Amino acid sequence: AQSVTQPDIHITVSEGASLELRCNYSYGATPYLFWYVQSPGQGLQLLLKYFSGDTLVQGIKGFEAEFKRSQSSFNLRKPSVHWSDAAEYFCAVAEPGSWGKLQFGAGTQVVVTP
Amino acid sequence: EAGVAQSPRYKIIEKRQSVAFWCNPISGHATLYWYQQILGQGPKLLIQFQNNGVVDDSQLPKDRFSAERLKGVDSTLKIQPAKLEDSAVYLCASSQGRERPKGTQYFGPGTRLTVL
Repeated sequence: AQSVTQPDIHITVSEGASLELRCNYSYGATPYLFWYVQSPGQGLQLLLKYFSGDTLVQGIKGFEAEFKRSQSSFNLRKPSVHWSDAAEYFCAVAEPGSWGKLQFGAGTQVVVTP
Repeated sequence: EAGVAQSPRYKIIEKRQSVAFWCNPISGHATLYWYQQILGQGPKLLIQFQNNGVVDDSQLPKDRFSAERLKGVDSTLKIQPAKLEDSAVYLCASSQGRERPKGTQYFGPGTRLTVL
């Protein structure tokens, strides 16, 4: 069965430290891959997306993600976290040719400490 | 450019009552989506419209949920009658189209529904 897994439910990181959020998927073919962020009371904001080509993708707010086909992973990274990065982060996938059917992971809650 | 608008932002009802949510997508976006996000879970697609036609409603509980997009712009999602398990945030999203790169979805702030 197709699935998206975010292994970490909750991560605490110090301000200025690096952050890495994990995402693994199980699909027959390489899907389209996305990372969204959701701040309290806000809708989902797209951070970055991967369709094909360069496996290192740059996004907004200083985030990047790396697609690794061999590991079926699309991990999100940020070199230096700011307090405003505290939010919930969702990995999502869509099958090529089935754009609208985004399947989301359960999310990772990020807490930033001073 | 204005984003996706949703109303109301919050709604509290008792079980067996009915409720409706409204969504106004980004201007010019042909594709509209409704998602249900239960606490602690990622959003789940309920229904997808292309203009005013339904593309996918396979995960919509049709015995109690209905949605329409009559003029290909605004959309309403209705629940009748509501159950306790319908407590969730209902998110609306829109995209220019269904194929990349126009298929990128933009989300509204959501409506938080509490069923007592």
